[in-house]
Amino acid sequence: GQNIDQPTEMTATEGAIVQINCTYQTSGFNGLFWYQQHAGEAPTFLSYNVLDGLEEKGRFSSFLSRSKGYSYLLLKELQMKDSASYLCAVLDSNYQLIWGAGTKLIIKP
Amino acid sequence: GAVVSQHPSRVICKSGTSVKIECRSLDFQATTMFWYRQFPKQSLMLMATSNEGSKATYEQGVEKDKFLINHASLTLSTLTVTSAHPEDSSFYICSARHLAGEMNEQFFGPGTRLTVL
Repeated sequence: GQNIDQPTEMTATEGAIVQINCTYQTSGFNGLFWYQQHAGEAPTFLSYNVLDGLEEKGRFSSFLSRSKGYSYLLLKELQMKDSASYLCAVLDSNYQLIWGAGTKLIIKP
Repeated sequence: GAVVSQHPSRVICKSGTSVKIECRSLDFQATTMFWYRQFPKQSLMLMATSNEGSKATYEQGVEKDKFLINHASLTLSTLTVTSAHPEDSSFYICSARHLAGEMNEQFFGPGTRLTVL
């Protein structure tokens, strides 16, 4: 079966750095997405990785290792507004998005 | 960037009535639109995939006669929840895939909060 694992919840301090991991087992791979979702709102796009390596975009970076079926989202200089759920999703061989359950990130002052 | 709108954003209805939710891609043409449902504290659950001009493909366990999907154009898809019941209360989110998109990214609408009394 297809499976995406990410931690249920993480807590970090304002101004610090946090890394949210995602491991996946899917039928085929056409890219991995990270989305941010605030409570009661729809997801918003953060990043897309299809090749191995690190993609940096401002305070957020995303890493992919296809051989290990592993990705992480790195958030630097955390701000209170970063409190949200972070969803990892993989595009499988049928170009269907397979979603992780999301990681709820709690930022403390 | 690509914008997807949903209407209404919030709806409250009585049990047994039908509710229609519209999803529009405002500044791009979408080959495919997706309908998701999300219950509190859970991840997105894909309900159906909709291609313009053809019948929607429903995920296992989703009743196609209860959740009617019409994808009449490259910019509009509608989801009708027929004979809604309290257990249908959820957050319904649509997304659209760009016709010429390189990343196969899905752009999400803002969601519709349905409450069935």
